Amino acid sequence: SQQGEEDPQALSIQEGENATMNCSYKTSINNLQWYRQNSGRGLVHLILIRSNEREKHSGRLRVTLDTSKKSSSLLITASRAADTASYFCATDVNTNAGKSTFGDGTTLTVKP
Amino acid sequence: GAVVSQHPSWVICKSGTSVKIECRSLDFQATTMFWYRQFPKQSLMLMATSNEGSKATYEQGVEKDKFLINHASLTLSTLTVTSAHPEDSSFYICSGPTSGYNEQFFGPGTRLTVL
Repeated sequence: SQQGEEDPQALSIQEGENATMNCSYKTSINNLQWYRQNSGRGLVHLILIRSNEREKHSGRLRVTLDTSKKSSSLLITASRAADTASYFCATDVNTNAGKSTFGDGTTLTVKP
Repeated sequence: GAVVSQHPSWVICKSGTSVKIECRSLDFQATTMFWYRQFPKQSLMLMATSNEGSKATYEQGVEKDKFLINHASLTLSTLTVTSAHPEDSSFYICSGPTSGYNEQFFGPGTRLTVL
C-alpha cells in the first residue's frame, strides 16, 4: 500500500486564495519531498524537508513537517491559475535505499 | 538541480511488440536509478530499482521477465516492456538519487500507449 495519503484528493479555489494540502505517512522517514505534476507531464520538485526540520519556505510555498503526527502540509499562498496541477508528497524511508514512496496526490484547480 | 532525461517522451506501439525506454542522468553518475509507473489519475508506483553492474530489484507484483531493466553504465538505465499489451499503457518515469540519496531527480516521463 502507499506510504502516504493526501487530503484533500481534489481542491478547487479562486485565484489569490491560499491552498493547503496535507500528507500523512505511516513509517519513520529521513526526509519528505513535495512535487508538482502538470497533467500528462513529469514531476517538478518543489521542496525537500528533512526529518529534523519543522518548516521550510520557498517563495509562495510553505511546508511543515510534524514527525510526531507523521504528517506534512504544503501551503501555497496567493494562488495563481498556473498553480493548477497535481501535488504529491513523497517520503524516503531508508536513506540507503533512496526510494521515494508517493502519496495519492491532491489535484488543485485554481480558477482565474 | 541534477538533470535526468528520458527517451522517447511518448511511444505508440502495437500489442505484442517490445518497447525500450532510456533514462539518462546528464550531469551526475547514478549507481542506482528507480523506475516508476503511473496510471491515469493515480500516483506513482515504484516498479523496480536499477543497479549498475548487477540485477535489478523488482517490487512485489512486478514481472521481471516482462519489464527488463538494464543499467548499462553510470549514466544510463533502460526499461524494456516486452510483449506489450494495452494494459501496459501507462506513464513511465525514472529517477536518480544524488549521492547520499538525499534527493531524487525525476525524468520527464515516457507515455506508452499500446494499441
